[in-house]
Amino acid sequence: SAVISQKPSRDICQRGTSLTIQCQVDSQVTMMFWYRQQPGQSLTLIATANQGSEATYESGFVIDKFPISRPNLTFSTLTVSNMSPEDSSIYLCSVEGRAETQYFGPGTRLLVL
Amino acid sequence: AQSVTQLDSHVSVSEGTPVLLRCNYSSSYSPSLFWYVQHPNKGLQLLLKYTSAATLVKGINGFEAEFKKSETSFHLTKPSAHMSDAAEYFCVVSDPGTGFQKLVFGTGTRLLVSP
Repeated sequence: SAVISQKPSRDICQRGTSLTIQCQVDSQVTMMFWYRQQPGQSLTLIATANQGSEATYESGFVIDKFPISRPNLTFSTLTVSNMSPEDSSIYLCSVEGRAETQYFGPGTRLLVL
Repeated sequence: AQSVTQLDSHVSVSEGTPVLLRCNYSSSYSPSLFWYVQHPNKGLQLLLKYTSAATLVKGINGFEAEFKKSETSFHLTKPSAHMSDAAEYFCVVSDPGTGFQKLVFGTGTRLLVSP
C-alpha cells in the first residue's frame, strides 16, 4: 500500500484568502485524486490529477476555485482560492493502487472564518 | 451512474454483540464495491473490497461483507463488536467513468459501541 502525507494537517483561515494543500506519496503513481468532505457529510470527488496534464474536474468544481498542480509522479497540490466559510471541510488526497484500490491521505482540516 | 445507499445513518451496539451495517448499490454492470472506515480525526482505511471474485469477502479486524446480486446488497458484518470499532463506515462503489477508477461514496454510517 502507498503511504500518503498531507500538509498542513489543519488550518484556520480568513475569508478571501487562499490555502495550498500539499500531498506527497512514497511511490510513483499515475493518478491522484482530491476529495472534499464537508462537516458531517460524505466524500465528494473534486478532481483527478494526472502528471503532465490538466486536472479533470467533477461537476460543481472549477479550476479557478480549486487549481491543482501535478509536477511529478509523487506530488500534487490543491489550492482553495478566495475562501468563504462554506469551504470549511476536510480535504483528502488519494492515489490509485493495485486492483482498483485507492489509498487516502490523513486529510487537511480547514476552517474558514 | 453508479450509486450506493447506506440504509442507516447511525447504528448502536453493545460490545461483544454482532454488527450489521447495510448497503445497497445501483449499477448498470458488475460493480466493484468497497467498505472504508474513518476513525475520528483519522484518514480513511480500506476494510475490504469485492471485485467479482468470491461473493463473501473477508477484511481486516474481523469484518466481512457478502455481495448479493439478487438483492443488490453489500452489507458489512462482524460477529462481535469491540470498542475500537466505533467509527464512521462508508460503502463505496467504483464507477469506471472515463477510464479511471472514480469512487462514489455512500453517506456513511456511524457505529457506536457501548460497554
